[in-house]
Amino acid sequence: EPEVTQTPSHQVTQMGQEVILRCVPISNHLYFYWYRQILGQKVEFLVSFYNNEISEKSEIFDDQFSVERPDGSNFTLKIRSTKLEDSAMYFCASSRDGPSSEAFFGQGTRLTVV
Amino acid sequence: AQRVTQPEKLLSVFKGAPVELKCNYSYSGSPELFWYVQYSRQRLQLLLRHISRESIKGFTADLNKGETSFHLKKPFAQEEDSAMYYCALSDKGAQKLVFGQGTRLTINP
Repeated sequence: EPEVTQTPSHQVTQMGQEVILRCVPISNHLYFYWYRQILGQKVEFLVSFYNNEISEKSEIFDDQFSVERPDGSNFTLKIRSTKLEDSAMYFCASSRDGPSSEAFFGQGTRLTVV
Repeated sequence: AQRVTQPEKLLSVFKGAPVELKCNYSYSGSPELFWYVQYSRQRLQLLLRHISRESIKGFTADLNKGETSFHLKKPFAQEEDSAMYYCALSDKGAQKLVFGQGTRLTINP
């Protein structure tokens, strides 16, 4: 069964550094998402991506964040100048027909900013 | 604003007992509601959605627009039901899911 794959599973970075979180969505899916979950809090929407552009983003997704689909298979989240409060589990998800259809989630990347 | 509330962070029941995980939502339009589940060391996955009106692993959920609720129920809990359960709402016009804070369900033997 196809799965969404995220790498790395755990990333530790120093405050102020840039990180890139990688995701390989399911191949015939058209909608891609990033969510994050700070420890003990709810899963929060960051951004959705369709047809090679951002379709929606949350207030959290400010200029520090960017997404890219560089090669038709990978979907990346870049966080510039990381802060301590960026420490969280970051989930990538994809769906075939948008948010009304089933979203398939990756295992997540645990980002720790020290 | 869209909001999903799961009032119980933790819920513990005995095997064979009925289970009800509560979910209330706030939304002005016609929402689509989902239950996602995360078993230990596994990824978040869809359990069921209100549109399909089906029973998955013995769980059902009915959308009650009058009470703005979408409670998840199972008549007889099994140990393998122990997991984190998230209620989520999708806005047709928006490209996102809004999640509740989750309920950790523990089934005691």
